[in-house]
Amino acid sequence: SQQGEEDPQALSIQEGENATMNCSYKTSINNLQWYRQNSGRGLVHLILIRSNEREKHSGRLRVTLDTSKKSSSLLITASRAADTASYFCATDRNDYKLSFGAGTTVTVRA
Amino acid sequence: NAGVMQNPRHLVRRRGQEARLRCSPMKGHSHVYWYRQLPEEGLKFMVYLQKENIIDESGMPKERFSAEFPKEGPSILRIQQVVRGDSAAYFCASSLARRDTQETQYFGPGTRLLVL
Repeated sequence: SQQGEEDPQALSIQEGENATMNCSYKTSINNLQWYRQNSGRGLVHLILIRSNEREKHSGRLRVTLDTSKKSSSLLITASRAADTASYFCATDRNDYKLSFGAGTTVTVRA
Repeated sequence: NAGVMQNPRHLVRRRGQEARLRCSPMKGHSHVYWYRQLPEEGLKFMVYLQKENIIDESGMPKERFSAEFPKEGPSILRIQQVVRGDSAAYFCASSLARRDTQETQYFGPGTRLLVL
């Protein structure tokens, strides 16, 4: 079974609004990473948060990690049309195998 | 510094043919990982290689699939006697060092395989 599962599966928002998506996982992790995938393209690494961190920022991105609930959230503030993509969380259990969820598809309407 | 390169970007094969997917890691990277993405799903780990060595192939189907990363040249993922269920996007990633040192994996654009 997949380690990470994103919620919601799909999200549609107006440009300028914030987008929040969540990721839950099952086993203990070393770190959790978020990736973006534009339609038909490869994955772009967005941010990595380690298991001993609770919150991390990168530009308009804010990631939180709650290891007691085995969950993470990704917030995109002031969304733009270019943020339209699928977003995946990937967990790292201190080995080389990233485990991906099925992703959240975000559509930003102009 | 060019990113991870994969070719071809799209590959169409008939059932029973062979598919060869190539991956050139980022310059200086000696660790390569292959993942498969089925439609509407996340990526699934297949195999981890270093130069001339397969470190972990636990995610690879036992039959028809093989991977190599020779001393010179790109990493190759080979699928023999393809079936329709092999249709997927295959992504290669590379890292500077071993993954468990928390090095970021950088992904290529993928090869989309369609088996007719």
